[in-house]
Amino acid sequence: SQTIHQWPATLVQPVGSPLSLECTVEGTSNPNLYWYRQAAGRGLQLLFYSVGIGQISSEVPQNLSASRPQDRQFILSSKKLLLSDSGFYLCAWRPLRQSNYGYTFGSGTRLTVV
Amino acid sequence: SQELEQSPQSLIVQEGKNLTINCTSSKTLYGLYWYKQKYGEGLIFLMMLQKGGEEKSHEKITAKLDEKKQQSSLHITASQPSHAGIYLCGAGFSGTYKYIFGTGTRLKVLA
Repeated sequence: SQTIHQWPATLVQPVGSPLSLECTVEGTSNPNLYWYRQAAGRGLQLLFYSVGIGQISSEVPQNLSASRPQDRQFILSSKKLLLSDSGFYLCAWRPLRQSNYGYTFGSGTRLTVV
Repeated sequence: SQELEQSPQSLIVQEGKNLTINCTSSKTLYGLYWYKQKYGEGLIFLMMLQKGGEEKSHEKITAKLDEKKQQSSLHITASQPSHAGIYLCGAGFSGTYKYIFGTGTRLKVLA
């Protein structure tokens, strides 16, 4: 069965420090992968999505970047965190071609920048 | 501009009352999904609608997608405190791999 792993679950980082959040998918190949952020009391904002290794589409220009070094690995990074980067980050995947399959979400990472 | 608009933004109802949440798009949707979330936690998948005019039900929750596939509604019958949370619609669009969420509806059910 397909599963998605996201870590860490919680993270407290000082302003100006780097960030690396990792998301991996098991049990499938060629998934579409997504990163979302949810600020407190607000909806989910699409940050990046990827349809293949090395292919990254950015939806919101900001302090973050994403990479897909392997088919089932999606990484969200920042060189220098800002206070405004605090929030709840969710990774998601769906099969590349199956339109009848829903999206599967990781359990999320709560990031607090202090 | 937001591509998926939800209304209302928040809702407070008395236990036992019915309620409806709407999700509207300016573009034809390629699959419409409903989720429930508690802030800071993962999403719970509720239902997926793909065909125009489709309607699905699960327990006391019914979701519909209009014929034009641009609007969906989520209806809860006889609400309970356990229904409280944030309801999000999510959708993909034809010709793109983007998948976005609506603005969210925060539901509170008073016992």
